[in-house]
Amino acid sequence: DIQLTQSPPSLSASVGDRVTISCRASRNIDTYLNWYQKKPGQAPKLLIYGASTLQSGAPSRFRGSGSGTDFTLTISPLQPEDFATYYCQQSYSTYCTFGQGTKVEIK
Amino acid sequence: QVRLVESGGGVVPPGRSLRLSCVGSGFTFRTQAMHWVRQAPGKGLEWVAVISDDGKDDYYSDSVKGRFLISRDNSKNTLYLQMSSLSAEDSAHYYCANSHSAHEPKFDYWGQGILVTVSS
Repeated sequence: DIQLTQSPPSLSASVGDRVTISCRASRNIDTYLNWYQKKPGQAPKLLIYGASTLQSGAPSRFRGSGSGTDFTLTISPLQPEDFATYYCQQSYSTYCTFGQGTKVEIK
Repeated sequence: QVRLVESGGGVVPPGRSLRLSCVGSGFTFRTQAMHWVRQAPGKGLEWVAVISDDGKDDYYSDSVKGRFLISRDNSKNTLYLQMSSLSAEDSAHYYCANSHSAHEPKFDYWGQGILVTVSS
């Protein structure tokens, strides 16, 4: 299985801040990396696919980058509705895997 | 408007079985691979299983292989997950989600989820 390691597990930030979340794959996954936003009681929402392509309808303040094994999700500027948990997910393999999640909390 | 609606969850004793359903609308169901993903309380997302658009191919995570069976009825736009030999570790919110290909699991749309609690 391809392991994904996200960091940090959680962070505190203020509205207007720039937030960066990292995701490292255990082996080369090219750009088969997606990012989801998850809020309590809601379905996950696809934000970024193919490492850097913004999903239709997702705000442009979300940006994804990276390839190979190292990936980054940047949110700037952070908005009140962005406080949530973010997951990376690899779609390189049929047996997909998710990172452990990064919880973005209000400072 | 794409909709995925899960049903069939509830409380079930350990060792018993349960079948989940997911009805899709607002898209061409028969052209999409369909997945089940779960989230245990306080835990992260875990992919469970996928079935190809025509229902001929299916794949499972190691944690459910041999106990869960994914199936679909394209005439009814419905996805199923037959779960057997359930244990407390299977307690979770279960989500159905689509992808364009079973071999490239990018989840465009998700259902709202259904809760399964395994408890005596």
